[in-house]
Amino acid sequence: EVHMVESGGGLVKPGGSLRLSCEASGFTFSSFMMNWVRQAPGKGLEWVSSISSSSEYIYYADSVKGRFTVSRDNAKNSLYLQMSTLRAEDTAIYYCAREVYSGTYRDFDYWGQGTLVTVSS
Amino acid sequence: DIQMTQSPSSLSASIGDRVTITCRASQTINTYLNWYQQKPGKAPKLLIYGALSLQSGVPSRFSGSGSGTDFTLTISSLQLEDFATYYCHQSFSIPDTFGQGTKLEIK
Repeated sequence: EVHMVESGGGLVKPGGSLRLSCEASGFTFSSFMMNWVRQAPGKGLEWVSSISSSSEYIYYADSVKGRFTVSRDNAKNSLYLQMSTLRAEDTAIYYCAREVYSGTYRDFDYWGQGTLVTVSS
Repeated sequence: DIQMTQSPSSLSASIGDRVTITCRASQTINTYLNWYQQKPGKAPKLLIYGALSLQSGVPSRFSGSGSGTDFTLTISSLQLEDFATYYCHQSFSIPDTFGQGTKLEIK
């Protein structure tokens, strides 16, 4: 069974840093592109970042570019999001999501349960 | 960035009703359109991918249609467990973008 568990969220002051982790199980992690998607309290979904299976392709939303760094360790079946220079508007639940791709579709078929990041003084 | 506009933002319906939610992209996205269901306190769940393919395990009362810029999600006969928020998602080009969501409530 596919399972992903995020951790590392918490309360951090503006300007601070935090590292999120997503530990995956039940599938061949090294074969899949992975994504981070966030959801501010009471708001909709916002794509944050994606990383290809071997880390050769990495993408970021403009809102986090230069502040967030995505990485993965396929030996540990883990995805990471290093967040720095955090702002109040980064407050959100952060989900990791597995990506599936074919020639005619691309979707996020499994999601973790999310970890809450609160940026506040 | 491709903008995704969902309508309506909220919808009240009764059990057994047929419900349609629409999503419009600001430019063509072929069939790179997915639908997710989210219940309070839970992660989104994939319902429809590639505009019209039903994800494994999702009840057949859910269906998707459309291509290009206009898409619909239809629930043929609402069940109690369908009351949730629904999001469309374009995966045609990065950055991926989502619709603002449609909250489906019990009438």
